Parts: sequence; C-alpha cells; structure tokens
Amino acid sequence: QKEVEQNSGPLSVPEGAIASLNCTYSDRGSQSFFWYRQYSGKSPELIMFIYSNGDKEDGRFTAQLNKASQYVSLLIRDSQPSDSATYLCAVYGNQFYFGTGTSLTVIP
Amino acid sequence: KAGVTQTPRYLIKTRGQQVTLSCSPISGHRSVSWYQQTPGQGLQFLFEYFSETQRNKGNFPGRFSGRQFSNSRSEMNVSTLELGDSALYLCASSWGRGGPDTDTQYFGPGTRLTVL
Repeated sequence: QKEVEQNSGPLSVPEGAIASLNCTYSDRGSQSFFWYRQYSGKSPELIMFIYSNGDKEDGRFTAQLNKASQYVSLLIRDSQPSDSATYLCAVYGNQFYFGTGTSLTVIP
Repeated sequence: KAGVTQTPRYLIKTRGQQVTLSCSPISGHRSVSWYQQTPGQGLQFLFEYFSETQRNKGNFPGRFSGRQFSNSRSEMNVSTLELGDSALYLCASSWGRGGPDTDTQYFGPGTRLTVL
C-alpha cells in the first residue's frame, strides 16, 4: 500500500467550474498535509498546507482535512485554464511522502 | 529572497559514469531533501539532510549518496550510472525545525539527467 494515494486522472472541468482533487494517506501519525501544483516541465510549487481538521481557504483554493478518514482534498473554485497542471498531495510525519499527482485540465 | 537553486540544469552522461548535482537552499533553511521524479513513479524521496547530517533516507541503492555542507548547500552523487537513472532530480529546502510552517518544502528548478 502506498503512503499517499491520488486519483491520477486526468480530470477535466469547464472554465468557471469547481475542481475537486482527492488524496488519502495511510499513516495515522501524519501531522501536516500539503498541496503542490506542477506545470509540465517545471518543479512543484506550494499551493497551501493544512494541519487541523476542517477547511482552510486561500483565495480560490480550499483544502479540507479529515484525519479520522485519513483524507485530504483540494477544491479549486472558478477554475481557470491557467489552473491546468498536475496537483501533488504531500503528507509529512517524519518525512515527506508525495502522491503521484492528479492531472487537471480546465477547458475554456 | 532568492529561491532554491540547482546546478547544472541539464546533464547528459553515459552508462557507468558518475555525476554530482548541487543544491543551494533558501537562505536560513537548514533542511535539504532530494527527490527523483520520473513519469511512471512520480516523486521518489532519496534523502534529507539537516545541519550536515542525514536525517532520513529513502529506498534507493547505495549508488546514490549525498552530503551537506556547513552553509547548508547540498550535493548529491550518483555513481555507476544506469539507463534507469534518467530522471528529473529535485531538491527542496525547508527550515526543518518541526511544524507545518517550518517543514514546508520549497523546490528548486531541478536537474534533468539523461543517461545514454
């Protein structure tokens, strides 16, 4: 079993819609949870992190954490074509574990 | 504030050779982690250095090694290169002192290694 699981997609949404990206993790001792965005040919860039159960909002992005279900999600509101990228979920306990990423395409 | 820098950006080597990659972290960051990224495997953790000591190690063969200097700059070495070592090698830095604010990793642009 992988430490972090993501649906590889691809996920396609129309411009202006809400994109929902999901991630599950196996280590109950994990403390911090991160979402990164990676454009093709580029390195990952941090979108946001969350460490408490519930929702955390940053602009058009909302991260949701449910430690009981070992589940993290990222919602992107009003999706734009520039949001088309691969989204990586990362979990930190005593080291970082990354999922393989979900490819998102926003259709104009 | 300058970001994480990696040199060189591109490398072409042949099987059996060795290679050294360099990473300079964000000023003040003491933790440097190395990852290998391939299309099929995603981001695979190689190792993490904190204050010149290896703190964590991934599941890679001993051909992969690293070190960190007193100024927190880090190098990664791969000996006896194999075709399967062709990948994007990413370095990430963080404060490394515990807690999400200080554990957040910031990535460099990566080194694209091609082994022929």
